Amino acid sequence: KNQVEQSPQSLIILEGKNCTLQCNYTVSPFSNLRWYKQDTGRGPVSLTIMTFSENTKSNGRYTATLDADTKQSSLHITASQLSDSASYICVVTPPGDDYKLSFGAGTTVTVRA
Amino acid sequence: EPEVTQTPSHQVTQMGQEVILRCVPISNHLYFYWYRQILGQKVEFLVSFYNNEISEKSEIFDDQFSVERPDGSNFTLKIRSTKLEDSAMYFCASRPIPGTSGGAYVGDTQYFGPGTRLTVL
Repeated sequence: KNQVEQSPQSLIILEGKNCTLQCNYTVSPFSNLRWYKQDTGRGPVSLTIMTFSENTKSNGRYTATLDADTKQSSLHITASQLSDSASYICVVTPPGDDYKLSFGAGTTVTVRA
Repeated sequence: EPEVTQTPSHQVTQMGQEVILRCVPISNHLYFYWYRQILGQKVEFLVSFYNNEISEKSEIFDDQFSVERPDGSNFTLKIRSTKLEDSAMYFCASRPIPGTSGGAYVGDTQYFGPGTRLTVL
């Protein structure tokens, strides 16, 4: 069964600081790996998407990395803002036309002033 | 920029009742999905739909569930006889065919709606 594990479960950081979230997966092979941001009570919104051959992808202050050999990905948030408070979800897509997504449980980030 | 919309935002129902959750996918998207998220848990895939038929479904999607695209714009999820454990956020998502969308949409990304919170009493 496909597994996507994320750590930490939650973290609190001060505004302006950086943080890094981890994702370990066992989905293999996979089509792509995404990081989604989910605000409370809202649907997930795609931040980054990487194929298995990509090592890094940036979207503003968000930088995702991927190590396909160790099956690990990370999401780095630079100079955090209050609006970064959300759940960040690692999502892996197995090969196939249907793009059935395997979701991690997410890391809840709280940014405090 | 068009978005996936869902109605209602919150639905409260009695156990055993039927509910229909509605979604309007992004225009010109052809792949549609339903997911659910029980409070405090991860998002779970329910079903995918393409070309007017179910293409894949999870173990959760049993005979109590059905999906329909009744009129070319709406995409609905019906739960025939709700149970307490059906209480969750239900998300609809749509995806364009890769390479066909252009503009702001990435071809193989699923775009999620805001969700419907279903509460079964």
